[in-house]
Amino acid sequence: DAGVTQSPTHLIKTRGQQVTLRCSPKSGHDTVSWYQQALGQGPQFIFQYYEEEERQRGNFPDRFSGHQFPNYSSELNVNALLLGDSALYLCASSFLTGDTEAFFGQGTRLTVV
Amino acid sequence: LAKTTQPISMDSYEGQEVNITCSHNNIATNDYITWYQQFPSQGPRFIIQGYKTKVTNEVASLFIPADRKSSTLSLPRVSLSDTAVYYCLVGGPNNNNDMRFGAGTRLTVKP
Repeated sequence: DAGVTQSPTHLIKTRGQQVTLRCSPKSGHDTVSWYQQALGQGPQFIFQYYEEEERQRGNFPDRFSGHQFPNYSSELNVNALLLGDSALYLCASSFLTGDTEAFFGQGTRLTVV
Repeated sequence: LAKTTQPISMDSYEGQEVNITCSHNNIATNDYITWYQQFPSQGPRFIIQGYKTKVTNEVASLFIPADRKSSTLSLPRVSLSDTAVYYCLVGGPNNNNDMRFGAGTRLTVKP
């Protein structure tokens, strides 16, 4: 059973460009959350998707958007990239209800130059 | 969501027991305490979760006093591979809401 998979693993973009990151949740999980982790800091919650809708959102600008597909996979889009967007982007999947933990992927390392 | 406070870093030696304490003074009645472990360039990994008293699994133990304003993660007989950042989180039991990670505790295990 594959866990949470993210692609690509590494990415270099130029300031002002747009980027799309992808996440496949653990088999059966219906909820996907995205986090941004800057170097030396803990992960910061961006948003969560359930039933193809954004369910919760953290303190991130509208440049950050997402999507969830019928198969529960998800995308994170970031527009007008800034140097400060350089970070490890983590995807976590879980069940919306039930006593279970969240599983994280390995992350996508985004570097904005 | 309750805020947590942990030591920034800790050092230990192989074979020792390590205890990392987390303060969460404004924990809510229905909040659980969850600990995650993170290695460099990897996503966090669930270690243990508890509500009160003591919880033990194959990896660690979690001690929670009666007032629940703090908790202690205990790692028995650590090895070099336990060197990682450990995060204490307070929130719902099934992590279906945004998880608020602090800076975590960077544990370094020395030979």
